[in-house]
Amino acid sequence: DSGVTQTPKHLITATGQRVTLRCSPRSGDLSVYWYQQSLDQGLQFLIQYYNGEERAKGNILERFSAQQFPDLHSELNLSSLELGDSALYFCASSVDEGEQFFGPGTRLTVL
Amino acid sequence: EDQVTQSPEALRLQEGESSSLNCSYTVSGLRGLFWYRQDPGKGPEFLFTLYSAGEEKEKERLKATLTKKESFLHITAPKPEDSATYLCAVQTAGGTSYGKLTFGQGTILTVHP
Repeated sequence: DSGVTQTPKHLITATGQRVTLRCSPRSGDLSVYWYQQSLDQGLQFLIQYYNGEERAKGNILERFSAQQFPDLHSELNLSSLELGDSALYFCASSVDEGEQFFGPGTRLTVL
Repeated sequence: EDQVTQSPEALRLQEGESSSLNCSYTVSGLRGLFWYRQDPGKGPEFLFTLYSAGEEKEKERLKATLTKKESFLHITAPKPEDSATYLCAVQTAGGTSYGKLTFGQGTILTVHP
């Protein structure tokens, strides 16, 4: 158990809908990262927050947004969902920008 | 752009048969190279961080090494429970990448009893 929690574990929704994925980092970790893992693309970095502020951005679609709250938990919002958004979404956390510890993931299925 | 290439894509070993996985990388400046293990449907599990060429880290049957262009994950006398996907990732120094990890596609290791 990495200490990073993610909810929900599974999410099934329809195209065009909006969903919110939640992540609680390890105690004491200030950085939160979001990654998407699909069969064809592998693990892709989406975005990083550090102590509530956006710090780095990857190839995150404009339909996706994230935020980190004062208690350091983070949410990833996915809107206008398409079939191709079906994937595993992982949250990771770290104390600084060293080792990242990953949560169990949320499996999103868009029908 | 950072690039990470892992080989082989898949590796089948007999229990006790030692081997190595390769991770080749191209980055503007390496801040760190990370190895993770991932079981099906689970999140990646952190194994090692290497920061400079010549560095080595060991954990049980695993040993990671780093050169200026590649890293190796050596598996000595593997057991069936070592079966998993092994992921390599790099982190770039400076610029605006901060904590971003760029992952390779992984090596699927299967160890038969």
